[in-house]
Order: sequence, then structure tokens, then C-alpha cells
Amino acid sequence: AQRVTQPEKLLSVFKGAPVELKCNYSYSGSPELFWYVQYSRQRLQLLLRHISRESIKGFTADLNKGETSFHLKKPFAQEEDSAMYYCALSEGWGTGTASKLTFGTGTRLQVTL
Amino acid sequence: DAGVTQSPTHLIKTRGQQVTLRCSPKSGHDTVSWYQQALGQGPQFIFQYYEEEERQRGNFPDRFSGHQFPNYSSELNVNALLLGDSALYLCASIPSLELVEEAFFGQGTRLTVV
Repeated sequence: AQRVTQPEKLLSVFKGAPVELKCNYSYSGSPELFWYVQYSRQRLQLLLRHISRESIKGFTADLNKGETSFHLKKPFAQEEDSAMYYCALSEGWGTGTASKLTFGTGTRLQVTL
Repeated sequence: DAGVTQSPTHLIKTRGQQVTLRCSPKSGHDTVSWYQQALGQGPQFIFQYYEEEERQRGNFPDRFSGHQFPNYSSELNVNALLLGDSALYLCASIPSLELVEEAFFGQGTRLTVV
């Protein structure tokens, strides 16, 4: 069965410092990986997905199939980045289960002055 | 577009009771998934509805059941409530069952079982 692991429950960084939120997964096929974010008092929303290779709000994530990782990075943290971040996996197109998401337990990012 | 809407926002029930939660998907979306998010955990997939049928199911007991209506809205029913069912229940909609698309989430229903 697929699994997503986010080893840190809380990551506290200073404003302007680099950020790396870790995500590792286990899945035997070719997964689709996502990062979802939940800002205070807001609903869960998509931040980015590996297939689009976009940089959203300065965040990037590279899928490393060898290390089965999809770490989220940003070179300079901003206060507005403080939120709960969830890594999620989908089993990919054509599997019949493409739309089911498996989430990690989440990492709370706290950016302080 | 109001996005995904869920009702009620909060609910308190007693052990053994039954509860029904409701979800209206984003306009243009025909597939609805339900997730349970316990405190300190990530969302866990309960099941998914498309064309008024349950298409996928996660590792949840039969006490959890659902329904989808012709207008694509959906209900989640939980029977014989246990204290452990206390959680945030999230509804998510996507435009297509087979594609790996962005899932749009509702604000959730906070269920407390006492």
C-alpha cells in the first residue's frame, strides 16, 4: 500500500532563511505527488504538483524517484508562509484510482521575525 | 462560484447515534471524495462517488456510507457513532474521476462524539 511520510511535525525558521519541508513516499508504481497547504482559518488548497513543474509563491519541489522523495523548498521564507503543509500522493492516471489522495501527517511551518 | 460547500460546520452527537453530513461540489465537478481528518493527522480517504455510485473506498467500516445525488451533491452517513469518530470531515471535488486533477476542498464539518 502507498504511504507518505512527513518526519517533522513542526519546522520553525526565521524570516529570510531557507525552508525545506521533507516528504518521502512508498509506492511501487509511478505516483503523482502534490503539496497542499492550509493557511490559518482557510480550507486546504493545492500549492503545487510535480507534473506541472511550476514554482508557486517561490516554492519548488522536485520528485526524486531514486530516493522516493518530494521535498518542498523555498530559498527565503516569508511570514505569510506560516501554515500547515501536507504532502500527498495519487496513484496516477490509468490506474482507476487516480483521484484518491494519500496524505502525510503534515508539517507546521512557523516563520518568525 | 462558491466552491465546495459543506454543512453543517459543527456537530455534536452522542455515542450510538447516527449523523449525516452534506457536500455540494464546485461547479462543473462531478466527482466527490470524503476524507476524515483526526486531530494531528493528515486527511484519510473514506470513499468517492461518481455517477451516483461509490467508486473507491478506503479502510473504513461499513458504518460509513454515502450517497450522491443527480445534481452531484453528496452525503456522508455514519451509524452507531463511536468516540473515535470525532474528527474533521472534509469533502473534496474534482472535475474528472480518471484524471489527476487538483482537488478542491470544503471547509469541513467538525464532528464531536460525546
